[in-house]
This record gives sequence, structure tokens and C-alpha cells, in this order.
Amino acid sequence: TQLLEQSPQFLSIQEGENLTVYCNSSSVFSSLQWYRQEPGEGPVLLVTVVTGGEVKKLKRLTFQFGDARKDSSLHITAAQPGDTGLYLCARGEYGNKLVFGAGTILRVKS
Amino acid sequence: SQTIHQWPATLVQPVGSPLSLECTVEGTSNPNLYWYRQAAGRGLQLLFYSVGIGQISSEVPQNLSASRPQDRQFILSSKKLLLSDSGFYLCACTSTGELFFGEGSRLTVL
Repeated sequence: TQLLEQSPQFLSIQEGENLTVYCNSSSVFSSLQWYRQEPGEGPVLLVTVVTGGEVKKLKRLTFQFGDARKDSSLHITAAQPGDTGLYLCARGEYGNKLVFGAGTILRVKS
Repeated sequence: SQTIHQWPATLVQPVGSPLSLECTVEGTSNPNLYWYRQAAGRGLQLLFYSVGIGQISSEVPQNLSASRPQDRQFILSSKKLLLSDSGFYLCACTSTGELFFGEGSRLTVL
């Protein structure tokens, strides 16, 4: 199983600030998914990226897949308290498995 | 879309007692099913996955077992719980590549 490294592990910012979190691997992804999880709930899919260099936007969230398909980033513009949560990246592996990174805990203070 | 039901939502059990967590899926047929464990709000560790009735793959050696008696039913069990089995257990399913999660079962072993 190839490891997924997420950074930073924890991020605390003020409302209105911008931020970027990262997901990296030493091997190529066929696809990568980003999830957001609130305390006490299951993760919810935000986006799937497949093509190297791909950029997807979801309101104030911008997801980018690296050209070499070994890394991805999530950029949030003008963060709001409702963005608080655990952000997880995940990659598919042989045998229908989805392997997750350790996540980035984001706290947005009002 | 798929809906996943997990129960119980919360469970407190003594060391050495048995465990049964249940997961049922609605809105799809022949899904891939997964059990994940999450410690302290961090990344998800894949425990078991199943691509069909009676087909179980285990990812890590442990004190737990899984069964899939019906197409849309996935059960996580233990004969004797250990303190280290405490955690947040998430059932998930996919039939399209997107992973849908249940709301989780929080297990505390005392």
C-alpha cells in the first residue's frame, strides 16, 4: 500500500483567510478523491480528480491534480467557520480499495 | 444515491466481551462494502472489504472479523474485545467509484 501524506496536519485560521492543504505520494495516482468529515459523522466526497493538471472548482474550493499525478492540493478562498472539519484525500488501489491519508484538521475561527 | 445505515451509533463494552456492528445499504445492488476504523479524528484505516456475498478480504491482522451474509449487509464482529479496539468504525459502500459512508459507530472498550 502506497502512503498518502497530507500536510499540514492541523491548521487554525481566522475567517476570511485563504489556505491550501496538500496530498502527496511517491507513486502515481490513477485518480484521487477529496473528502470532508465533520466530527461524529462519516466523510463526504467533495471531488474526484483524474487527469494530470486538472483543476476543479467547487464554490470557494479549488482542487488541483499535479501534472505527474503524484500530488494534489485543495485551496480554500475566504474561509468560513462552516469549512471547519477534517479534510481527507484518498486514492484507489488494486482490489477496489480506497486508501486514505491521515487528514488535515482545519479550524476556522470567527 | 446510496444510503448506509449503521448501528449501534454508540457502544460501551467491557474488555473480553463480544461485538457486533451492523451495516445495511439501500439504493444500490452488488456494491463493494468496506469497514474502516478511525482513531482520534484522523485518517481512516481500512479493515475489511467485500466485493460480494461471502467474499471478505482482510487488510490487517487483528482481533476483528467481518461477514457479508446478504448483498447489502455487512457485519463487523469480535469474540473478545481488546482495549485497542476502541475507535470510530465506519461502514462504506461504492458501486460507481464514489465512496458513501455511514454515520459511524463509536466503540469504547473499558
